[in-house]
Amino acid sequence: QKEVEQNSGPLSVPEGAIASLNCTYSDRGSQSFFWYRQYSGKSPELIMFIYSNGDKEDGRFTAQLNKASQYVSLLIRDSQPSDSATYLCAVNRGRTGANNLFFGTGTRLTVIP
Amino acid sequence: DAGITQSPRHKVTETGTPVTLRCHQTENHRYMYWYRQDPGHGLRLIHYSYGVKDTDKGEVSDGYSVSRSKTEDFLLTLESATSSQTSVYFCATGEVYNEQFFGPGTRLTVL
Repeated sequence: QKEVEQNSGPLSVPEGAIASLNCTYSDRGSQSFFWYRQYSGKSPELIMFIYSNGDKEDGRFTAQLNKASQYVSLLIRDSQPSDSATYLCAVNRGRTGANNLFFGTGTRLTVIP
Repeated sequence: DAGITQSPRHKVTETGTPVTLRCHQTENHRYMYWYRQDPGHGLRLIHYSYGVKDTDKGEVSDGYSVSRSKTEDFLLTLESATSSQTSVYFCATGEVYNEQFFGPGTRLTVL
């Protein structure tokens, strides 16, 4: 079982719709969770992080965490063509002080104008 | 991007040759990381550093070594490059329990 699993997609949504990206993780002791966006040929950039169960909102993005189910998701409201990218879920198991992240393979999102 | 640069940005080399990639940061972050990214595998940690001259292995460290003689520089060396090390290499920096910032990446091809 992989540390972090994501549906590779591609996920296609029409412009203005809500895109829902999902991620599961295997280590129940994981402490913090990150969503990165990566455009083709570019480096990953952080969208948001979440530590506590529940929802965290930042503009059009909402991260949701359910530690009991070992599940974290990212919702993108009012999706725009510029949101078309690969979204990487990352998990910090927190066992060392080095903030070592384990990444999923990413979900490719396409927003159709 | 937290003031992170990587050099070279592209490199083609032959099997068996040594290769060194450089990461330079201007943010004074304590931690620095080297990842490789391959289709189907995502980002995988090679080595990381938690201070000058303090380094440790990551998930896929075989065939790689690192050095950090200054806070701002983190070098990744492939002692004898193999075709399986063809990849995109990303450097990242960060602080404990905060987000990691990624450099622009180096595309390495080993023929």
